[in-house]
Amino acid sequence: RKEVEQDPGPFNVPEGATVAFNCTYSNSASQSFFWYRQDCRKEPKLLMSVYSSGNEDGRFTAQLNRTSQYISLLIRDSKLSDSATYLCVVGSSNTGKLIFGQGTTLQVKP
Amino acid sequence: DAMVIQNPRYQVTQFGKPVTLSCSQTLNHNVMYWYQQKSSQAPKLLFHYYDKDFNNEADTPDNFQSRRPNTSFCFLDIRSPGLGDAAMYLCATSRGTNTEAFFGQGTRLTVV
Repeated sequence: RKEVEQDPGPFNVPEGATVAFNCTYSNSASQSFFWYRQDCRKEPKLLMSVYSSGNEDGRFTAQLNRTSQYISLLIRDSKLSDSATYLCVVGSSNTGKLIFGQGTTLQVKP
Repeated sequence: DAMVIQNPRYQVTQFGKPVTLSCSQTLNHNVMYWYQQKSSQAPKLLFHYYDKDFNNEADTPDNFQSRRPNTSFCFLDIRSPGLGDAAMYLCATSRGTNTEAFFGQGTRLTVV
């Protein structure tokens, strides 16, 4: 089993749609969680950290469920510019590593 | 200003010819990572350092080595590149082991 798993998609949605991605992780000692965005042939960039209480940044909402060991990302009112790959990243202090999921590709169409 | 800088952006090397990729940071972060990313795949962790404490992933080939001479610089050495080593190599830094990572722009390696 992969340490961090995501549905690779692609998710094809129209502009204005709401779309949600999930990510599961296997290490129950994981302590830090992030969503990164990666555009084609570019480096990953931090989209948002994910906190236990859930957090929101504009159209983006992240949730963490420690019991079921998954995190989610919700994008409301999708824009064309949201088209990218969204990477789930999990870190744990017992390993000192940040592990990436495969990424979920989003295509927002006019 | 770029805070994590990788050089070169593009590197072409011959099969079997040693190559070194470099990474520098101005963030004074304790942790530095090297990831390998192939097309449509997740970045795969090769190594990471916490200060000078080196951590090698179990499945990182022996062909890959790393050096961190000081806080600011980290190098990835590929001793005998094969065609399968062609990929994007990403360097990242973070303040600690549970904090967000900042990436350089990557070095795209081509092996001919």
